[in-house]
Amino acid sequence: QQPVQSPQAVILREGEDAVINCSSSKALYSVHWYRQKHGEAPVFLMILLKGGEQKGHDKISASFNEKKQQSSLYLTASQLSYSGTYFCGTVGSSNTGKLIFGQGTTLQVKP
Amino acid sequence: GAGVSQTPSNKVTEKGKYVELRCDPISGHTALYWYRQSLGQGPEFLIYFQGTGAADDSGLPNDRFFAVRPEGSVSTLKIQRTERGDSAVYLCASSLTPGAGYEQFFGPGTRLTVL
Repeated sequence: QQPVQSPQAVILREGEDAVINCSSSKALYSVHWYRQKHGEAPVFLMILLKGGEQKGHDKISASFNEKKQQSSLYLTASQLSYSGTYFCGTVGSSNTGKLIFGQGTTLQVKP
Repeated sequence: GAGVSQTPSNKVTEKGKYVELRCDPISGHTALYWYRQSLGQGPEFLIYFQGTGAADDSGLPNDRFFAVRPEGSVSTLKIQRTERGDSAVYLCASSLTPGAGYEQFFGPGTRLTVL
């Protein structure tokens, strides 16, 4: 089951904050966040694991509510380079890396 | 060090033809993943390998799709009797080991167009 991301798109001015949400109907073991710019490969941002461990980017934060099967990505003081499409990928068990991606959230940061 | 590489970067073929897409993962990464991405969508899981064996091929859409990784490094995705609906960007990723807690590094993709 594909996770649902919201919002679908957001436009910001430089320096503004944004939150992107990812919600699943299935139990999750981990949530992975990626950013993809047009015509490029997805780039890893964060992993959030069941139990609270996090790995990733020091300028981007995220949360994972295991009980609600939801994750949120927090982009603060946005920069022009933050523009792109953000995807969450969910993993249902610890012994697989099979990612099920959401449909994406397009972020545009304007000067 | 070198990242994940994929060849060709673009492939145009005619309906009914056979194509092979190649992925060269990061050296030392035992897990290799194939995804397919259509325009405006998130990547869709196809198959992943741990070493030489396919650990999960549940995402392959039908028996026209097949993938191998004979020596546990380079992988080839093979598509027989291509259809227009197969047109997409095929992404390969690798991780140090399979598992929910390991980041996957993506290659630049192969854009497949079936005419």
